[in-house]
Amino acid sequence: GENVEQHPSTLSVQEGDSAVIKCTYSDSASNYFPWYKQELGKGPQLIIDIRSNVGEKKDQRIAVTLNKTAKHFSLHITETQPEDSAVYFCAARGVDNFNKFYFGSGTKLNVKP
Amino acid sequence: GAGVSQSPSNKVTEKGKDVELRCDPISGHTALYWYRQSLGQGLEFLIYFQGNSAPDKSGLPSDRFSAERTGGSVSTLTIQRTQQEDSAVYLCASSLRAGGYNEQFFGPGTRLTVL
Repeated sequence: GENVEQHPSTLSVQEGDSAVIKCTYSDSASNYFPWYKQELGKGPQLIIDIRSNVGEKKDQRIAVTLNKTAKHFSLHITETQPEDSAVYFCAARGVDNFNKFYFGSGTKLNVKP
Repeated sequence: GAGVSQSPSNKVTEKGKDVELRCDPISGHTALYWYRQSLGQGLEFLIYFQGNSAPDKSGLPSDRFSAERTGGSVSTLTIQRTQQEDSAVYLCASSLRAGGYNEQFFGPGTRLTVL
């Protein structure tokens, strides 16, 4: 099956700075990569996703890039705000089962005011 | 509208006991997913339902785990003879349909502690 690795495990930035979280995946046939934000005591919430037919996608302060050759994808948050503080998870959809998602281990982002 | 709800929010049980965890998906969502989140780890896929059918049960960790869904709505995850390694947060998600690029909406989870 797919193997997704995520780093860093923790990331601390100053408010207004940018944050980058990186993930790698193992199955080159994977074609869909969502990112989730999980706040304390809540379930994960989809914040952005990317399909394998594009290399970059932006939504306001959030962007995701995908490098299919290197099998890695990254989340970029610009102009970070304290409310961005949360745990972020990357995921890759399975190839043999489109309903099975493989998650990274998470990045705890702390934005200091 | 109402999101995905799960009950109980917390469950403490003794080793060897059986537990049932409940998930109420968003109304109209035909697909339902169960995940396990161990402390400091990512989400581990357990099982998904399309309607009342679970086509792939390979993610269930052992035969002590089972899940069912009735009426295309509520789902229960049952863990028999609980072990300490079963302690985790169990998350449920639902989506409009299975497959495709349908967004999964997660519930707040049930935190299970096995003493």
